[in-house]
Amino acid sequence: AQKITQTQPGMFVQEKEAVTLDCTYDTSDPSYGLFWYKQPSSGEMIFLIYQGSYDQQNATEGRYSLNFQKARKSANLVISASQLGDSAMYFCAMRGSGTYKYIFGTGTRLKVLA
Amino acid sequence: NAGVTQTPKFRVLKTGQSMTLLCAQDMNHEYMYWYRQDPGMGLRLIHYSVGEGTTAKGEVPDGYNVSRLKKQNFLLGLESAAPSQTSVYFCASSYSSVGNTEAFFGQGTRLTVV
Repeated sequence: AQKITQTQPGMFVQEKEAVTLDCTYDTSDPSYGLFWYKQPSSGEMIFLIYQGSYDQQNATEGRYSLNFQKARKSANLVISASQLGDSAMYFCAMRGSGTYKYIFGTGTRLKVLA
Repeated sequence: NAGVTQTPKFRVLKTGQSMTLLCAQDMNHEYMYWYRQDPGMGLRLIHYSVGEGTTAKGEVPDGYNVSRLKKQNFLLGLESAAPSQTSVYFCASSYSSVGNTEAFFGQGTRLTVV
């Protein structure tokens, strides 16, 4: 069975500081993808970044980077230079090669402080 | 670009009433999904479809039915609504290939069962 664990229900970060949101996963699939989504208070789901299990380098998208440690089964999201607009719920998700489904964690609510 | 469109956006039902949520996508995606989002529980998969005419159960299928008669549409039905089905419902769609293929989400439907 596949599982995503996000152990931080809530986080605070000072504006302009970097923050790391934790995500660990469990799967028996040899190939899989890891995704992060942002959900602002307006409710929509916004795709942020993707990491493939065979990718040699950590993914980066602007201020977002994914700290992928395959042996530890972790895929932490790093947001650099936090902005007030980064305040939102963040979800980690996984999709294995042997499944059609996206499995989500319980989310981390991030609050950026001015 | 319409993307994934859910109808309706809000609904209040009385216990025992039935309703259908409609999801439409214009990206020619093979896969479609229905999730529910509850506080502290992340997104949980209700049902999904891997192609026109096919449906399958997710994590929490009880009390729901689905149909996918056309590739672009995925319907979620509640035959006899219960207060436990009060939730925010998200439809999503994706391409079939595994890899950097994120799920695209609708804007969500907030359902309250009284």
